[in-house]
Order: sequence, then structure tokens, then C-alpha cells
Amino acid sequence: AQKITQTQPGMFVQEKEAVTLDCTYDTSDPSYGLFWYKQPSSGEMIFLIYQGSYDQQNATEGRYSLNFQKARKSANLVISASQLGDSAMYFCAMRGTNTNAGKSTFGDGTTLTVKP
Amino acid sequence: GAVVSQHPSWVICKSGTSVKIECRSLDFQATTMFWYRQFPKQSLMLMATSNEGSKATYEQGVEKDKFLINHASLTLSTLTVTSAHPEDSSFYICSAVQGSYTDTQYFGPGTRLTVL
Repeated sequence: AQKITQTQPGMFVQEKEAVTLDCTYDTSDPSYGLFWYKQPSSGEMIFLIYQGSYDQQNATEGRYSLNFQKARKSANLVISASQLGDSAMYFCAMRGTNTNAGKSTFGDGTTLTVKP
Repeated sequence: GAVVSQHPSWVICKSGTSVKIECRSLDFQATTMFWYRQFPKQSLMLMATSNEGSKATYEQGVEKDKFLINHASLTLSTLTVTSAHPEDSSFYICSAVQGSYTDTQYFGPGTRLTVL
């Protein structure tokens, strides 16, 4: 079975500072993908970043980077230079080759609040 | 990134009526579409997985006769909430995937259903 754990229900960060949102996972799949999504108050799930289990380098997308530590089964999201518009709920998710027939497993989410 | 549309964005209906929600992948062909339900401040709850031309696979506890899913083409899936009741009021989100487990799951903007 697949499992995603996000241990931080809520996080606060000062504007312009960096913040790390934690995500650990568990899976028996040999190959899998890890994803982060942002959900603002409007409700839309916005794709942020993807990391493949065999990727050697950590993924980066603009101000977002994924700190992937495969041995520790962690895939933390780092947001640099936080902006007020980053205030939202953030979900870590994974999809594997064998388990769940391609369905994603989501964590419980972390609510990030950026303070001015 | 790929675009998934969902219509309507919100709907209010009377108890006992049926409501249809459409999900379209606008610029790619989706081999698989997923339907989720989300309660406030909670994670996404998968309701069903649908593949074009075949019957949807429902998650345990989801009533097939109440939540009818049709995946008529590679770009369109519909969710019909039949004989809606107040407890069906929720935020419904669809998502679409183009191919393999490494492909990103893109989400529609969601539909907020309120049953009076």
C-alpha cells in the first residue's frame, strides 16, 4: 500500500523568507512519481512540481524545489522568497507503477500562511 | 501545463433532483480521469476512476447508483449525482491523466454543490 504523511497541519512564514513543507512516503513500488500541488482558497488544485523516483537530481521549478531523499523516503517542498500569494493548502502526492492502478495517494495537506 | 475544465463551477439544487458535472481535458487526450470529493480543510477523497469506453471503478463505500460516471471520450467525463440530498453537498473535483504513472495528474477547478 502507498502512504503519504504530511506532519505539519499548519505553517507560518514571513514574506520573502524560505519555507520547507515536509512530506514522507511509503511504497513497495520500484518506480513511482512524487508530486506537489497547491490549493488556494478558490479550490483549484495547481500542479507545482514533480520528482521521479529514478531522477538523480532534485526537481526545481522557479521558486519551488523538491528536496528528494530516497533512502529516507522524504520529498520535502522548499518555497524560496515566500509571497503573500503563496498562502494556500499544499498537498504531497504519489503515483506508482504497480500499486493502486495508477491512482494517486494524497497526504492530509499543510496550510501555509505567509505573513506580511 | 495541461488544462482541465469543469462545469459548472457551482450549483445549488433542491433535494431529490439530479445534477450533472462535466470534466474536459482541453488540450490533451486523457486515458484516465478521476473524480474526487473534498470536505473543508480535508484532503481529497477518491470516488472513482474512469477510463474511456469502459465502466468506472468505484472506491469502496461510494454508491455507484448514486454517483453515475460516464467517460464518453478521451476528453470528456461526466459525474451525475442522482437524487441529491443535503449530505451530498460538497466540493467535487475531477482530474485527468494522459498516460503513465509519471504523467502529471491535472485537476479541474472544482464544482461546489449545495443541495437544499
